[in-house]
Amino acid sequence: DAGITQSPRHKVTETGTPVTLRCHQTENHRYMYWYRQDPGHGLRLIHYSYGVKDTDKGEVSDGYSVSRSKTEDFLLTLESATSSQTSVYFCAISPISGGYEQYFGPGTRLTVT
Amino acid sequence: AQTVTQSQPEMSVQEAETVTLSCTYDTSESDYYLFWYKQPPSRQMILVIRQEAYKQQNATENRFSVNFQKAAKSFSLKISDSQLGDAAMYFCAYRSANNAGNMLTFGGGTRLMVKP
Repeated sequence: DAGITQSPRHKVTETGTPVTLRCHQTENHRYMYWYRQDPGHGLRLIHYSYGVKDTDKGEVSDGYSVSRSKTEDFLLTLESATSSQTSVYFCAISPISGGYEQYFGPGTRLTVT
Repeated sequence: AQTVTQSQPEMSVQEAETVTLSCTYDTSESDYYLFWYKQPPSRQMILVIRQEAYKQQNATENRFSVNFQKAAKSFSLKISDSQLGDAAMYFCAYRSANNAGNMLTFGGGTRLMVKP
């Protein structure tokens, strides 16, 4: 299994509070991604990173920001959480070459009350 | 933008039988990759199988095989000799070969139930 961890695994927070989710990899892969999973929508890309300090927006980036100061860490921040951001969040990594598949972390269940 | 459609929200299969999950996609590109991921109740996303569009031969991984119809933009997953452990959500995903970020577009998923 690819070495990807996410923290926290579960979080309940109140509307309006800031939240940061962390993704950590031990594979030294260049690409990292944040997705959210909601019923009926599959996984939708929030933001991704193609290197240290290099990030770009995905399909559903509004209300989210990211940072990557080290190869191994990719942070997702909800500046002011809303109930619509209640979801399961997955981090994924991908090497620069090879089969191009993505490897996923275990997910974080976030509930915004 | 590419879209991926899984038209079967739920499927069921008897243990030891064969089941086929459907996936269609919309793209104007000729070079791309297709994937099937499995998500069991543990929530972990597990890569099942991968298909390169330039390959005519259908990919196979043990009991899992695909029927890739490029002209029809169809990419179905066949599970043979279904086992109880196959019960999960299955997601089809698309990646353009011209996608510098290796980004994936996912379908909405199919929930597979396996009856003993």
